[in-house]
Amino acid sequence: NAGVTQTPKFRVLKTGQSMTLLCAQDMNHEYMYWYRQDPGMGLRLIHYSVGEGTTAKGEVPDGYNVSRLKKQNFLLGLESAAPSQTSVYFCASSYSSSGDYYEQYFGPGTRLTVT
Amino acid sequence: EDQVTQSPEALRLQEGESSSLNCSYTVSGLRGLFWYRQDPGKGPEFLFTLYSAGEEKEKERLKATLTKKESFLHITAPKPEDSATYLCAVQVTGANSKLTFGKGITLSVRP
Repeated sequence: NAGVTQTPKFRVLKTGQSMTLLCAQDMNHEYMYWYRQDPGMGLRLIHYSVGEGTTAKGEVPDGYNVSRLKKQNFLLGLESAAPSQTSVYFCASSYSSSGDYYEQYFGPGTRLTVT
Repeated sequence: EDQVTQSPEALRLQEGESSSLNCSYTVSGLRGLFWYRQDPGKGPEFLFTLYSAGEEKEKERLKATLTKKESFLHITAPKPEDSATYLCAVQVTGANSKLTFGKGITLSVRP
């Protein structure tokens, strides 16, 4: 099992450019998440999904969009990148059963710099 | 508002010098408390889940405990390879599966 994988690992964008980050998991997890991690701020939830075709806003959703067309994939899009979106982005997934929620498994991260 | 506070921000230990990391939380209703380890340049790695006050879990040199207001991660006789950032997160009742993370504690163990 590869677990949670993220593509790309590094990216540099200019202000106003767009890009999509791809997250894939092979654990058949229902739930998937996108976080950003900034120095001194900890991990903050951007968007999450409780199943294929569903998405929901997290703590810091502005400037981002997401899609979950397939159960194993969760895409994070930046339509018009801003320097404030310079961060490390982590994807995670978790199992759920009968209303119980379990630990989240994280990918290796994508380091994004917006100049 | 749900809050998670970890202390100290950074901790430097000598190899073999045992210590504890603190995670205090203020939440409307705790469903679970999670500990993760994060190495530089990598994603967080799951360590433990604690669900109720009085619960303890162990893994090698690490033991996590939970009370109604805080959790401790005890490190016994640490080794340099235990150096990492340790993250605490809470899952709150009624908040689906979402986690609220603390800012982390950076542990450095000197040989």
